Amino acid sequence: DTGVSQNPRHKITKRGQNVTFRCDPISEHNRLYWYRQTLGQGPEFLTYFQNEAQLEKSRLLSDRFSAERPKGSFSTLEIQRTEQGDSAMYLCASSPGHPPDTQYFGPGTRLTVL
Amino acid sequence: GESVGLHLPTLSVQEGDNSIINCAYSNSASDYFIWYKQESGKGPQFIIDIRSNMDKRQGQRVTVLLNKTVKHLSLQIAATQPGDSAVYFCAENPNSGGSNYKLTFGKGTLLTVNP
Repeated sequence: DTGVSQNPRHKITKRGQNVTFRCDPISEHNRLYWYRQTLGQGPEFLTYFQNEAQLEKSRLLSDRFSAERPKGSFSTLEIQRTEQGDSAMYLCASSPGHPPDTQYFGPGTRLTVL
Repeated sequence: GESVGLHLPTLSVQEGDNSIINCAYSNSASDYFIWYKQESGKGPQFIIDIRSNMDKRQGQRVTVLLNKTVKHLSLQIAATQPGDSAVYFCAENPNSGGSNYKLTFGKGTLLTVNP
């Protein structure tokens, strides 16, 4: 499969626990994005990487959230001290970094915080 | 604030009919627009895109129309099939200069195709 992959696909956790999600982008895509999607809404931008550099973070990304892309390939998104309001679908996308620079999305990780 | 929105939250059509999904945007500086299809439990799937220097672009069974005068975008699906049933999102890139990131999505339109 040459598309964007995400793991796990589903995560159920208790409030206060830490969770980590992984995203593997399309090979040779140097840009990687994280979005969050709640039920009935469109995805909302969280953060974006150009290679290993995190270039922008949304105000939605509180200090409990951290994202990394240490080698410019896969990325992880960690949420510390989860809250019920963190329950959402977390989507990862990648793009080649040159025009038209279309973003291709992975299947997402569905997080449920009890 | 700047936003992308949809006129119709739901659309129900008969198999074989043509479908039109509409989208309004408010950021006149946006220069790139994308339509995505999202099936239940899956991530958004790229359908077609258009740059602001065009007013029409065609793909396989899909056409996107852009009217910059009234800031309106539409997706036309010809001969709609049951497999087209999904939520459709329009997204805009509010940044100019060929760099596409930080897409802003609308709320989505649920398309239901009746056999």
